[in-house]
Amino acid sequence: EAGVVQSPRYKIIEKKQPVAFWCNPISGHNTLYWYRQNLGQGPELLIRYENEEAVDDSQLPKDRFSAERLKGVDSTLKIQPAELGDSAVYLCASSLDGTGLDEQFFGPGTRLTVL
Amino acid sequence: AQSVTQLGSHVSVSEGALVLLRCNYSSSVPPYLFWYVQYPNQGLQLLLKYTSAATLVKGINGFEAEFKKSETSFHLTKPSAHMSDAAEYFCAVSGGNDMRFGAGTRLTVKP
Repeated sequence: EAGVVQSPRYKIIEKKQPVAFWCNPISGHNTLYWYRQNLGQGPELLIRYENEEAVDDSQLPKDRFSAERLKGVDSTLKIQPAELGDSAVYLCASSLDGTGLDEQFFGPGTRLTVL
Repeated sequence: AQSVTQLGSHVSVSEGALVLLRCNYSSSVPPYLFWYVQYPNQGLQLLLKYTSAATLVKGINGFEAEFKKSETSFHLTKPSAHMSDAAEYFCAVSGGNDMRFGAGTRLTVKP
């Protein structure tokens, strides 16, 4: 069974440029999560989807971040414009459902460097 | 609201020695507790989880953790460390849909 796929794995951009990350969750997983992991920290939730509906985006900086999950499968996270403080690893995870009991499966992440 | 505190950002043990990684939680509801491991340049992988069944939880790779409500703790242990255990370990708590991770503990295993 294929795991969670993310691309690109690494991205280096100049500040004020836009950037997008893509995630393909495990087949059949209804819940999809985007996390940001700063250096030396644990992951912090940005947004959670149940199918195509964003059910928790309270931690997403909506002035510059946006996300979508069309057809309830793949998802894209965008930053426009990027700032120096956005440098981090962006992790995508998926689970069968969002009850909190269910194991979350993580992708390898996208390491973003903003210069 | 839920939160976890991992005591010690770095732990170093010798190969074959006991591994003990500490985690304390705070939760306003009965918690679900998790330990994840992260190897370099990889995503997080579930080691074990506590979901209000047995208080001693066994996970993969010989790890186990004990839920102690009186101490609000969920420490991770392994009797004998192996070189391949070197990684970052994260404790996490969930009170429902929202999972909160600790800052992580980097485990180093010396030969």
